[in-house]
Formats: sequence, structure tokens, C-alpha cells
Amino acid sequence: AQSVTQPDIHITVSEGASLELRCNYSYGATPYLFWYVQSPGQGLQLLLKYFSGDTLVQGIKGFEAEFKRSQSSFNLRKPSVHWSDAAEYFCAVGANYGGSQGNLIFGKGTKLSVKP
Amino acid sequence: IAGITQAPTSQILAAGRRMTLRCTQDMRHNAMYWYRQDLGLGLRLIHYSNTAGTTGKGEVPDGYSVSRANTDDFPLTLASAVPSQTSVYFCASRPRQSHNYGYTFGSGTRLTVV
Repeated sequence: AQSVTQPDIHITVSEGASLELRCNYSYGATPYLFWYVQSPGQGLQLLLKYFSGDTLVQGIKGFEAEFKRSQSSFNLRKPSVHWSDAAEYFCAVGANYGGSQGNLIFGKGTKLSVKP
Repeated sequence: IAGITQAPTSQILAAGRRMTLRCTQDMRHNAMYWYRQDLGLGLRLIHYSNTAGTTGKGEVPDGYSVSRANTDDFPLTLASAVPSQTSVYFCASRPRQSHNYGYTFGSGTRLTVV
């Protein structure tokens, strides 16, 4: 069965520092991978997605992620964090339920705090 | 503004009562989804609908039902609420069921069952 693991529940970084959020997935074939961000009291917003091709994917707000098949990972990175990046981040993998593709399985999330 | 509207924003509900969470989208998306979000558990899929007239069960469907009479509306019903259904519920949609399309999420309904 497909699954997503985000090992870090909470991360704190200083403003201006670099950021890496970890995501590991379990999937039998080439996965569809996503990163979403959720600000407090809001719904989720898509940051970036990977389907195939170039393993380094660029997203919105200066984020990027790298797909590494050998490590079953899809880590999210940002070179310089801004205070407005404080939020919860979710990694997700495309899944099948009852033969219907198109659903997502989400990790449990990583909460990012940014120190001034 | 195009998007997803969820109602109510929040609700306190007595156990055993029936409740319908409303979800309406104006983007003419074919596929719609209901997720619940619980602290430490992330988002879990309750039910989905790939197109009007069809629905399917997700990871945690027990105690919930859905209908999809038209493209725009995808209500979620709790027939007899229990405290374990206290959660934040998110409705989402995408143009088609393919992963080539990203999800659009509503702002959520915070439900407390007492």
C-alpha cells in the first residue's frame, strides 16, 4: 500500500537560514509526488509536484524539491527562509482506491516555525 | 472569486445528531474529495467522487456518506455523530481525477461533537 512518512513533526529555523523538510514514500511504481503548505486556519495550497522527467522540481514561493528514487525520498528545500514561510507542510503521494487513480495520501505534516 | 465554499465554518454538535457539511465549487471540476484533518494524523480521505453521479470510499469512510447529484455540490453527511468525528473537514476538487491536475482546497469546517 502507498504511504508517506514525514519524520520531523516540528522544525524551527532562523529567518534567512536554509530549510530542508524530509519526505519518504512507499509506492510500487513511479510515484506522483506533491508538497502542500497550510497556513493557520486555512486550506492547503499546492507548492510543487513531480510526475516524471527532471528530478529537481521548482515550485512557488522559492521552494524546490528533489526526487531520489534510490532513497524513496522527495525532500523540500528553500535556500533562505522568510518569516512568512511559517506554516505546516504536507508531502503527498498519488494513490489508488478501488481502482480509481487520482486520490492523494498525505503525510502527517511538518510544522515549520521561523525565529527572527 | 472562483473556488470552493464550505459551510458552516465551525459547528458544535451533540452526539447522535445528524449533520451535513456543505461543499460547493464554481470551477466546474469533475473530481471532488472530502478529507478530515486530525492533529498528528495529517489528512485522511473520507470519500471521493470522480464525476457527478459517482462516489467512492476512501481511507476512513465509516460513519459518513456523500452524494454527488451535480457537478458543483458534494455534501458530506454524518448520520449519527460521535465524539471521534470531532475534526477539521476539508473539501477539495480538481478538474479531472488525473494526477496531472492539482487539488483546490476549501477553507475547512471545524466540527466538535460533544
